[in-house]
Amino acid sequence: DTEVTQTPKHLVMGMTNKKSLKCEQHMGHRAMYWYKQKAKKPPELMFVYSYEKLSINESVPSRFSPECPNSSLLNLHLHALQPEDSALYLCASSQGTEYMNTEAFFGQGTRLTVV
Amino acid sequence: AQTVTQSQPEMSVQEAETVTLSCTYDTSESDYYLFWYKQPPSRQMILVIRQEAYKQQNATENRFSVNFQKAAKSFSLKISDSQLGDAAMYFCAYLSGDRDDKIIFGKGTRLHILP
Repeated sequence: DTEVTQTPKHLVMGMTNKKSLKCEQHMGHRAMYWYKQKAKKPPELMFVYSYEKLSINESVPSRFSPECPNSSLLNLHLHALQPEDSALYLCASSQGTEYMNTEAFFGQGTRLTVV
Repeated sequence: AQTVTQSQPEMSVQEAETVTLSCTYDTSESDYYLFWYKQPPSRQMILVIRQEAYKQQNATENRFSVNFQKAAKSFSLKISDSQLGDAAMYFCAYLSGDRDDKIIFGKGTRLHILP
């Protein structure tokens, strides 16, 4: 199983709503990532979790709140978002650089629209 | 800080022909990994090929091969016998070997395949 599963695939939310994006992998990967991707742009790193602990926060606004309940799950809690936060949110996982297989596996993303 | 540069925003190639996508990077590290990812309209980022910096031999994966020039900090992707399914956005990516798990992407090259 080399799959990273993201739900939902599409999400429309109002600026006062609270919603969560979910990501799951069963490859035993120790690193999990959230990326934000705007149209025709490369993915921008938001957060990295390593062994279920937040290791990188790329100065992301507090209206985005990550959570790693266990080694297989990664959530992104959303609250009071702005229309400019509309984007494709990608989750990824990897074994990490202490292993030979360093590549990140990506989910299909959640297309988020903030209205 | 490491940077990844893809100087070709768009390229086109005739079906069955060969095309080369360029990527240069800047780093002071000696241990790192380089990747080419493909992102078709389906949105999912798919690993095309991986190169470890300590390996002198260029990586090859079926119709995909790289020309890794470590001294020049160049990592180009060659696609042979181009197929319609190769049409996608291609991102060059860098991962430091110091275990910070931070994958840095170039801006991408959109590849069109002409029938």
